[in-house]
Amino acid sequence: DGGITQSPKYLFRKEGQNVTLSCEQNLNHDAMYWYRQDPGQGLRLIYYSQIVNDFQKGDIAEGYSVSREKKESFPLTVTSAQKNPTAFYLCASSIHRKETQYFGPGTRLLVL
Amino acid sequence: DAKTTQPNSMESNEEEPVHLPCNHSTISGTDYIHWYRQLPSQGPEYVIHGLTSNVNNRMASLAIAEDRKSSTLILHRATLRDAAVYYCISLHAGGTSYGKLTFGQGTILTVHP
Repeated sequence: DGGITQSPKYLFRKEGQNVTLSCEQNLNHDAMYWYRQDPGQGLRLIYYSQIVNDFQKGDIAEGYSVSREKKESFPLTVTSAQKNPTAFYLCASSIHRKETQYFGPGTRLLVL
Repeated sequence: DAKTTQPNSMESNEEEPVHLPCNHSTISGTDYIHWYRQLPSQGPEYVIHGLTSNVNNRMASLAIAEDRKSSTLILHRATLRDAAVYYCISLHAGGTSYGKLTFGQGTILTVHP
């Protein structure tokens, strides 16, 4: 079955630690996205990638980094520079940049 | 992308139709209207989208006003599994914009048995 997978489901980060969230899709989609959702709020775009080896900052990129070495994979690193990382992180993909986006199940990041 | 306005919450009874409204008075001619829904602790799920004509799929119907300043998502027979937050989003398809989805607060739909 085609879809988007995110791992882990829950992730705990210690102060000053970098953590990486995984996002994989087997839909053959060119575009991939990372969003952050805080409790009771809508989604905010962190980074997006329209094609392999290319990515652009979204609205709240500070403290985050990404890579897009393979079409199927778009990992997100939450660095120690992100002072308030506790949130629900969602990955999405679309055939092209302006098509319907399909979301993964999300990763909940908590700070110890 | 055009700003969208939705009611904070709505309630329905099971097996009754539900009409979820959305205002998008600043929408441009090339902006699509997308609807997503999100269950607690899950990723948003695509429901339906349209540009000018009314649209139907297995999940819902989308009625777009003739002036495109508003639209209504219609769930023909609500079930308990339809209880979720529903987001109405305009997606600019013209120019060089990258297709960012701007999620507002959405409408919390409660379905009563």
